Amino acid sequence: GEDVEQSLFLSVREGDSSVINCTYTDSSSTYLYWYKQEPGAGLQLLTYIFSNMDMKQDQRLTVLLNKKDKHLSLRIADTQTGDSAIYFCAGPILEYGNKLVFGAGTILRVKS
Amino acid sequence: EAGVVQSPRYKIIEKKQPVAFWCNPISGHNTLYWYRQNLGQGPELLIRYENEEAVDDSQLPKDRFSAERLKGVDSTLKIQPAELGDSAVYLCASSGRGNEQYFGPGTRLTVT
Repeated sequence: GEDVEQSLFLSVREGDSSVINCTYTDSSSTYLYWYKQEPGAGLQLLTYIFSNMDMKQDQRLTVLLNKKDKHLSLRIADTQTGDSAIYFCAGPILEYGNKLVFGAGTILRVKS
Repeated sequence: EAGVVQSPRYKIIEKKQPVAFWCNPISGHNTLYWYRQNLGQGPELLIRYENEEAVDDSQLPKDRFSAERLKGVDSTLKIQPAELGDSAVYLCASSGRGNEQYFGPGTRLTVT
């Protein structure tokens, strides 16, 4: 399978929580990242987590890391219409010289 | 602090024509990356520079793509001749001492 996999689409109502999931193959990844891409724009670094952490919280964002299952998630609390975008998880893959490999992205649509 | 600057933002060319993209990284960032992002996918690394040295160009199609970063700051990516399949968004990113990569807005290339 792909080195980094994400679900393609998520739709939530404004004010609800959003959870975007990601699975990866390289257990040696030291950092794992979440990026946000709005239409016509580049990628904006949202947050990242070290591999020795299980959780990281940053305002409305919570990142959970399950190293055993190689599963990463991004939770957005109180989702707003401005959160509508494509979210990418990414991690370095040792097999590729620690090159950052991105998932295909999850489209988040927030309904008002 | 200014972010990563790219130009042009959009480019439409006919196949077999040459095209060039320019990137100015964040001041002080020694590492510069060029990515290609096809529609509905995450970015894929084309080439990485450490200062003026290309340290990873394994994914750069060298028959038609070239890149340079002569003074270790600005960089250009060239395609000659362009093919229909080169239509994509070309993203430049830079990083400093940390591992976080910061992206520019990208150049959207359409080859007709």
